[in-house]
Amino acid sequence: NAGVTQTPKFQVLKTGQSMTLQCAQDMNHNSMYWYRQDPGMGLRLIYYSASEGTTDKGEVPNGYNVSRLNKREFSLRLESAAPSQTSVYFCASSLLAGGGTDTQYFGPGTRLTVL
Amino acid sequence: AQSVTQLGSHVSVSEGALVLLRCNYSSSVPPYLFWYVQYPNQGLQLLLKYTSAATLVKGINGFEAEFKKSETSFHLTKPSAHMSDAAEYFCAVSDLITGGGNKLTFGTGTQLKVEL
Repeated sequence: NAGVTQTPKFQVLKTGQSMTLQCAQDMNHNSMYWYRQDPGMGLRLIYYSASEGTTDKGEVPNGYNVSRLNKREFSLRLESAAPSQTSVYFCASSLLAGGGTDTQYFGPGTRLTVL
Repeated sequence: AQSVTQLGSHVSVSEGALVLLRCNYSSSVPPYLFWYVQYPNQGLQLLLKYTSAATLVKGINGFEAEFKKSETSFHLTKPSAHMSDAAEYFCAVSDLITGGGNKLTFGTGTQLKVEL
């Protein structure tokens, strides 16, 4: 099993450009998440999908959109990139064990720089 | 809203010494707590989690954490540090999501350095 995979690994954009970050998991998990990691701030939740067909905003959703394409795939789109979106983006998934004790499994991350 | 605070953004220990990474939580209900580790240029990996079954939780790589309700703490310890433990460590608290899954709120992380 590959676990959680993310593409691309690195990306440089100019302000105003758009791009989509791809995430896929092969663990038959129901819930998927997008986080961003910035120095000194830990990880912050951007969007999540509790189950196929549903998406919802997390702590920092402004400037982003998501699509839960199917059970395996969850993409994050930046419509008009801004320098403030320079960050490392992580996708994660969890099984849906219930009760708040689900372990989330993380991908390797995408390093995005917006000039 | 639930939150966690990690005291000390950088901790340095000698190889073989005790590792103690601090995490305090704020929650109005019994929390579910996690410790994750991040090695350089990698994603996060679960070390251990508290699910209320036992207050002393053992994880991978010799780490353990004790849930202390009276101190609202969930500190991570390892009796003897190894060079391979050098990494960033994150404490997180979980909120259940209606319809499935859970939202994690992370602390700001503690960078552990292990010196010879």
